[in-house]
Amino acid sequence: KQEVTQIPAALSVPEGENLVLNCSFTDSAIYNLQWFRQDPGKGLTSLLLIQSSQREQTSGRLNASLDKSSGRSTLYIAASQPGDSATYLCAVMNTGFQKLVFGTGTRLLVSP
Amino acid sequence: GAVVSQHPSRVICKSGTSVKIECRSLDFQATTMFWYRQFPKQSLMLMATSNEGSKATYEQGVEKDKFLINHASLTLSTLTVTSAHPEDSSFYICSASIAGARQETQYFGPGTRLLVL
Repeated sequence: KQEVTQIPAALSVPEGENLVLNCSFTDSAIYNLQWFRQDPGKGLTSLLLIQSSQREQTSGRLNASLDKSSGRSTLYIAASQPGDSATYLCAVMNTGFQKLVFGTGTRLLVSP
Repeated sequence: GAVVSQHPSRVICKSGTSVKIECRSLDFQATTMFWYRQFPKQSLMLMATSNEGSKATYEQGVEKDKFLINHASLTLSTLTVTSAHPEDSSFYICSASIAGARQETQYFGPGTRLLVL
């Protein structure tokens, strides 16, 4: 059974810092991995999707990497801003299934 | 494009009543819709997968008689929480994947917060 864990559970940083969020998964037979953002009481916004054959994806100040063999992914946020404050979720889709298995999330607070 | 809506966004009901939540794909046809539940400060847990015109597939531990799912058209799926109890209070989120497109892309609705008194 796939299990997804995110570290740290919460993170508070001053504006401008570069930061890294971590995601690990137990079953390396994944089809893809996604990073989502969730604002309080809201739905999910997809940030980046990495296919199992890819090593990383970039979008603006965000960069996500994937090391499938070791069961790890990182989300790098450059020059953080208060507007980045949210909960970040990673989710994996196992090969042969459409289901997404979500991680526990990292609550990020960027203070001005 | 690829917008998913949910209605209502928030509902408060008395214990023992039934509540229906709608999930609509506004600008695309969705072959498959997914229903998730999220308890406070916890992650999303998949409840069930529904395909248009067929019975939903429930995850282990989810009572299909309590959480009725109907996917009657390619743009609408409904989740009915029957005889709701306070422990059913949660944030319910649906997602939809586009018919004919790569199935790994799910578009999420804004969620419905249910409070059972």
